[in-house]
Amino acid sequence: DGGITQSPKYLFRKEGQNVTLSCEQNLNHDAMYWYRQDPGQGLRLIYYSQIVNDFQKGDIAEGYSVSREKKESFPLTVTSAQKNPTAFYLCASSGEFGETQYFGPGTRLLVL
Amino acid sequence: QQQVKQSPQSLIVQKGGISIINCAYENTAFDYFPWYQQFPGKGPALLIAIRPDVSEKKEGRFTISFNKSAKQFSLHIMDSQPGDSATYFCAASIGGYNKLIFGAGTRLAVHP
Repeated sequence: DGGITQSPKYLFRKEGQNVTLSCEQNLNHDAMYWYRQDPGQGLRLIYYSQIVNDFQKGDIAEGYSVSREKKESFPLTVTSAQKNPTAFYLCASSGEFGETQYFGPGTRLLVL
Repeated sequence: QQQVKQSPQSLIVQKGGISIINCAYENTAFDYFPWYQQFPGKGPALLIAIRPDVSEKKEGRFTISFNKSAKQFSLHIMDSQPGDSATYFCAASIGGYNKLIFGAGTRLAVHP
């Protein structure tokens, strides 16, 4: 059963803490993306990776970091430098021709 | 140049009616225009997509109309059903493996 999985579904962060959101895909897609969605707003790109061991900043990369050590995995770390991390985080991947992006179910991050 | 402007912000339609959501863009280099449907607490799912070399694309009850000269495209949902109640996002991108630029979203409510 192919798809994109994100974990956990809910994540709580304390002040000054780094947290890591997991994203895994078994679609054999080359490209992966992280978006942030705030209530009533569209999706904003945080980071994207077109190939293993390479990634680029999106529009709102400050306070976030990523790694792409394996084709199927693209974890996102929300660092303590991100002062307003409460949001719904969406991971996506795209395959042949790279245009169509398929999204995971999302992780909701809340600050304690 | 990179913006995609979406309207209306919210829409209420009676069951069986036609839902129309509009998007406008500035960057003429955009060559891929998808629409995504998102239910609460879920990731967006690709609904239908169009390229600028065609003026209309239909899939079931969903139709994209594309006006290249006006730099506008719209989603029409025919015979709208309560199950269509969701948030709809238009988007645009340049070529493959590039970031999608999303509109702010339209929250559609179809009343029985």
